[in-house]
Amino acid sequence: ETGVTQSPTHLIKTRGQQVTLRCSSQSGHNTVSWYQQALGQGPQFIFQYYREEENGRGNFPPRFSGLQFPNYSSELNVNALELDDSALYLCASSQGTAQETQYFGPGTRLLVL
Amino acid sequence: AQSVTQLDSQVPVFEEAPVELRCNYSSSVSVYLFWYVQYPNQGLQLLLKYLSGSTLVESINGFEAEFNKSQTSFHLRKPSVHISDTAEYFCAVSDEGSQGNLIFGKGTKLSVKP
Repeated sequence: ETGVTQSPTHLIKTRGQQVTLRCSSQSGHNTVSWYQQALGQGPQFIFQYYREEENGRGNFPPRFSGLQFPNYSSELNVNALELDDSALYLCASSQGTAQETQYFGPGTRLLVL
Repeated sequence: AQSVTQLDSQVPVFEEAPVELRCNYSSSVSVYLFWYVQYPNQGLQLLLKYLSGSTLVESINGFEAEFNKSQTSFHLRKPSVHISDTAEYFCAVSDEGSQGNLIFGKGTKLSVKP
């Protein structure tokens, strides 16, 4: 069974640029959730995709957007990067109900200069 | 809105000592509760979860947590810690009626010293 994978592992961008982060969900999972973990903080929910549709969103501006593909992999796009976007971005896959365990990938560490 | 408070940001203990990591959540509506562990430079791994039934839940590596509805708490305990338990521990909650998005606490760094 393949776990959740994310790419790239590290990324450096400058303010105003755009970035795309990728996530491959665990086999058999139809839901992907994205979280932002700033240094010294717990992860914060960005949004969730279920069967290619956005299924819930946290308190993040519209410049954070996403996609889910038919194979349930997912992308997180961030436009007009700001310094505060520097964080570890975690992707988690699950079967999509509140009681199901979310399986996390290793994350993508984004640094915005 | 739901929130999670982890009362201790850092907990240093000696090997083989007992430890308790505290977690409180804000809402008394039906919730699911989780503890995740994050080792350095790794993603989060589920340690244990409470969905319903027995209020005491256990993990395979000796941790346990007790759901206390009246105190809205879900404290994590281990009677004897090992060096390998050094990590950051996150408490999280998911509302029963939600899509499953997790609300996390800020984490507790457990440092086990020899």
